[in-house]
Amino acid sequence: AQTVTQSQPEMSVQEAETVTLSCTYDTSESNYYLFWYKQPPSRQMILVIRQEAYKQQNATENRFSVNFQKAAKSFSLKISDSQLGDTAMYFCAFSRGTSYGKLTFGQGTILTVHP
Amino acid sequence: EAGVAQSPRYKIIEKRQSVAFWCNPISGHATLYWYQQILGQGPKLLIQFQNNGVVDDSQLPKDRFSAERLKGVDSTLKIQPAKLEDSAVYLCASSPGDGGAEAFFGQGTRLTVV
Repeated sequence: AQTVTQSQPEMSVQEAETVTLSCTYDTSESNYYLFWYKQPPSRQMILVIRQEAYKQQNATENRFSVNFQKAAKSFSLKISDSQLGDTAMYFCAFSRGTSYGKLTFGQGTILTVHP
Repeated sequence: EAGVAQSPRYKIIEKRQSVAFWCNPISGHATLYWYQQILGQGPKLLIQFQNNGVVDDSQLPKDRFSAERLKGVDSTLKIQPAKLEDSAVYLCASSPGDGGAEAFFGQGTRLTVV
């Protein structure tokens, strides 16, 4: 079985600054995917970024990028130029290579962006 | 494209009562998931359907929870009888079904058991 751990219950950042959210995972699988999801107060999970484990290059999506350290089983999310709309709960998640939707989630990190 | 629809958005019931949640996935999506998200925690998978068949229900408390997906489209999740610890948000998600496709989530149903 796999586990996902987010050790930062809450984080805060000033608007326009950069923040990094941490995530570690444990698995014996060789083919897997890692995700960061955003959950605003509306409760709808929104995919922020995903990383295929077999790819060495770190994924980027506009202001969002990851630092994927496969040997250390670490998968952090960096948000650059933080915006007020980034305020939300962020979840790190894992899936085996067979299905993106069968996810194991971490406990979440509440991110607050201050003006 | 319409997203995953769930209803109701909120539900308050007394313990030992029954409750049902409904999910309409994105059109054409073969795979459907139900997750339970207890306050302050990450979602936990309850059940996965592929078309109208169950793929994984290993974490579904089958003594009180049941789910069905008739005709491989809409799905309902039922709790009978409800307990206080069932208070949570119940999220539905769907994906096209092949291994490399993203799952899309609905807005969930917040259940409060009093």
